[in-house]
Amino acid sequence: EDQVTQSPEALRLQEGESSSLNCSYTVSGLRGLFWYRQDPGKGPEFLFTLYSAGEEKEKERLKATLTKKESFLHITAPKPEDSATYLCAVQAYTGGFKTIFGAGTRLFVKA
Amino acid sequence: DTAVSQTPKYLVTQMGNDKSIKCEQNLGHDTMYWYKQDSKKFLKIMFSYNNKELIINETVPNRFSPKSPDKAHLNLHINSLELGDSAVYFCASSQQGNEQFFGPGTRLTVL
Repeated sequence: EDQVTQSPEALRLQEGESSSLNCSYTVSGLRGLFWYRQDPGKGPEFLFTLYSAGEEKEKERLKATLTKKESFLHITAPKPEDSATYLCAVQAYTGGFKTIFGAGTRLFVKA
Repeated sequence: DTAVSQTPKYLVTQMGNDKSIKCEQNLGHDTMYWYKQDSKKFLKIMFSYNNKELIINETVPNRFSPKSPDKAHLNLHINSLELGDSAVYFCASSQQGNEQFFGPGTRLTVL
């Protein structure tokens, strides 16, 4: 069964304290892995797409990496405005593009 | 300009009623989706349409019926609402299987 597991469920960091979020997955025919950010009361906002093992993408303080079984979202020197829920999603093609989301990691960054 | 819009933003109704949620995207995308996000913030796909054609229909009760009058619109009609239908419903769009753009969500509360 296709599955996405994110850890930890919640993460509390001090401003400037770097850390990583994990997304492990099992899916048949992975087409891509996506990272989204969701702020309270809003829809998810796209961050990165990764397609193959070894691929890396960066944006400001965020860096996403991909292996054959998991992806990491590294946050370097986070700021309070990075506080949000980070969602990982995998996509497979089964006659149509099916996207399966993980439960997310709630990140709190304290000043 | 709003890329993906949903109406209404809030919907409070009695058990047994029928209600609709509307979604429009102005991005020119060919694929649209409906997701349900429950109280634990887990985002689960319900339906996916490509060029007005139903592509993905997850295990969703028959009381939920999506309708796509054209590529830019995907509406969700729910019959005989139940307490368990209370959730936030998100509409999203993408070009083929690329990153998805989400609407602001509709918070449905069934009393």
